[in-house]
Amino acid sequence: AQSVAQPEDQVNVAEGNPLTVKCTYSVSGNPYLFWYVQYPNRGLQFLLKYITGDNLVKGSYGFEAEFNKSQTSFHLKKPSALVSDSALYFCAVRDEGFQKLVFGTGTRLLVSP
Amino acid sequence: DGGITQSPKYLFRKEGQNVTLSCEQNLNHDAMYWYRQDPGQGLRLIYYSQIVNDFQKGDIAEGYSVSREKKESFPLTVTSAQKNPTAFYLCASSMTGGSYNEQFFGPGTRLTVL
Repeated sequence: AQSVAQPEDQVNVAEGNPLTVKCTYSVSGNPYLFWYVQYPNRGLQFLLKYITGDNLVKGSYGFEAEFNKSQTSFHLKKPSALVSDSALYFCAVRDEGFQKLVFGTGTRLLVSP
Repeated sequence: DGGITQSPKYLFRKEGQNVTLSCEQNLNHDAMYWYRQDPGQGLRLIYYSQIVNDFQKGDIAEGYSVSREKKESFPLTVTSAQKNPTAFYLCASSMTGGSYNEQFFGPGTRLTVL
């Protein structure tokens, strides 16, 4: 069965420092991986996705993610964090051939000034 | 949140009442989804529909019902059989035809049972 794990409930980083939000996955076929961000009392916004090709995927708002097949990971990264990046981040995975997305439990990112 | 609207933003329900949450999209997407979000549990799929007049149960469908009479609309009814309905409900849509299509989300409806 498809699954995704976000091992950290919360990540704290100072503004200007690099940030990483971790995600590992488990699928039976080829993984299609997504990152979403959620601001308080709002819906989810799509950040980026990995389908195939380059292992480094670039997305919205300066975020990027690195796909690592051997470690079954898809960590979200940003070189320099902003206070406005503080939000809840969700990793999601979809198996090839399946229409459903399976979401992780989310990681709260707090960027301090 | 562009292209998908949910109403109302806040909804209060008395125990024993059915309530219907609205979801409309103007993205011309075939697929639509309903998720429930509870603190610390991420998003859980309630129902999804890949085409008009057809829908499938997700992981937590008990106590919920849906209809898909129009491509643009996918209303969710929370019935009195749902024992713990207080949650944040999110509707989403996507193109079909490939597993790589991202889902677009509405702004959500927060349901509180009084």
